[in-house]
Amino acid sequence: LAKTTQPISMDSYEGQEVNITCSHNNIATNDYITWYQQFPSQGPRFIIQGYKTKVTNEVASLFIPADRKSSTLSLPRVSLSDTAVYYCLVGDTGRRALTFGSGTRLQVQP
Amino acid sequence: GAGVSQSPRYKVAKRGQDVALRCDPISGHVSLFWYQQALGQGPEFLTYFQNEAQLDKSGLPSDRFFAERPEGSVSTLKIQRTQQEDSAVYLCASSPQGTRQPQHFGDGTRLSIL
Repeated sequence: LAKTTQPISMDSYEGQEVNITCSHNNIATNDYITWYQQFPSQGPRFIIQGYKTKVTNEVASLFIPADRKSSTLSLPRVSLSDTAVYYCLVGDTGRRALTFGSGTRLQVQP
Repeated sequence: GAGVSQSPRYKVAKRGQDVALRCDPISGHVSLFWYQQALGQGPEFLTYFQNEAQLDKSGLPSDRFFAERPEGSVSTLKIQRTQQEDSAVYLCASSPQGTRQPQHFGDGTRLSIL
């Protein structure tokens, strides 16, 4: 499974846009990029998934360059409730176990 | 709709006791995964079922860990002769059949071994 590298922590303020970048240099052709969010005492929650270019849903956008060796999760106008750990994963989530890494701890300040 | 349900939410056991952790996946989900999450770390894979078949158990840390899913729905993770290093949160996830299907996680069972 492809290894991912992401910042250990990030700080932001309410109302700002937050971009979390993940590196995955050895991503395989069939791998998808998936982001999960985890709050304390809860299981990870699926945010967004993509293969290339840009994907947008009601909570986030995912930007993937042509070489797919990195990806950026964009959270528009964060609020205090977005304080959580964010995990970037690559692989086929439906058929394989997920390799989480340590994630990025996002702290949103008022 | 109903999500993945795990029970108990908290379990305290004395070292050497056996424990059983239950996972009720989302109805109709073919794939079921167990993960172990230590404090401050990301979840780590333990084992994977497709229906009742255990297709991958490479992440189970020792032969004291055993998982089953006899009817392809509810799954149980059993830990025999528990040790302090088994203290962690155990997460269960399920997904529909097919590729690129996101895994849906329960909120886990926090196991504390005294």
